[in-house]
Amino acid sequence: DTAVSQTPKYLVTQMGNDKSIKCEQNLGHDTMYWYKQDSKKFLKIMFSYNNKELIINETVPNRFSPKSPDKAHLNLHINSLELGDSAVYFCASSQGGYASTDTQYFGPGTRLTVL
Amino acid sequence: AQSVTQLDSQVPVFEEAPVELRCNYSSSVSVYLFWYVQYPNQGLQLLLKYLSGSTLVESINGFEAEFNKSQTSFHLRKPSVHISDTAEYFCAVSAVQGAQKLVFGQGTRLTINP
Repeated sequence: DTAVSQTPKYLVTQMGNDKSIKCEQNLGHDTMYWYKQDSKKFLKIMFSYNNKELIINETVPNRFSPKSPDKAHLNLHINSLELGDSAVYFCASSQGGYASTDTQYFGPGTRLTVL
Repeated sequence: AQSVTQLDSQVPVFEEAPVELRCNYSSSVSVYLFWYVQYPNQGLQLLLKYLSGSTLVESINGFEAEFNKSQTSFHLRKPSVHISDTAEYFCAVSAVQGAQKLVFGQGTRLTINP
């Protein structure tokens, strides 16, 4: 059973397009995250949601909009894609919301390539 | 704000040799420390974490890390590595107060040669 799943695994698209990446967790966790991993493997948090409420919103262009329909899902929508958006995007979840001690469980990643 | 520096981007070692992956951090507040591992084409998995108590923490697969507050370090060690340890290793910190926000280092690629 997959704990944190992401779709699609690969996404190739043209500049200017709008695309979405979906994330689902079946762990019963309250908090979900989106991370961006660039070509140098540097991993940086983008957003965090706790029970559908946004709790972390890093300095990310407005073209990126997370949406959490319920606490088991956190989707990432990207408008007007740019070359610099090419990266691997990871979804993660953790049990609590405000506990810095929690372990985060990561999905397999979505490799986005913008041409 | 916090920052994490992993001093080695790549570490090649021979199988059964010992290894140390270095991690230093900077923070104006107290932090928790984590090591995550990323096997090829997979997401990250927690390897071990330091929250409080004994400064030496261990994982189930033979890795250990020691929190050194005075040197602001959290180096990862294993006395004898296996081919299966080949992966990218990420050190991370999160401030004790507030929502968990992991700040990662740049990662260290550990390559085990037979």
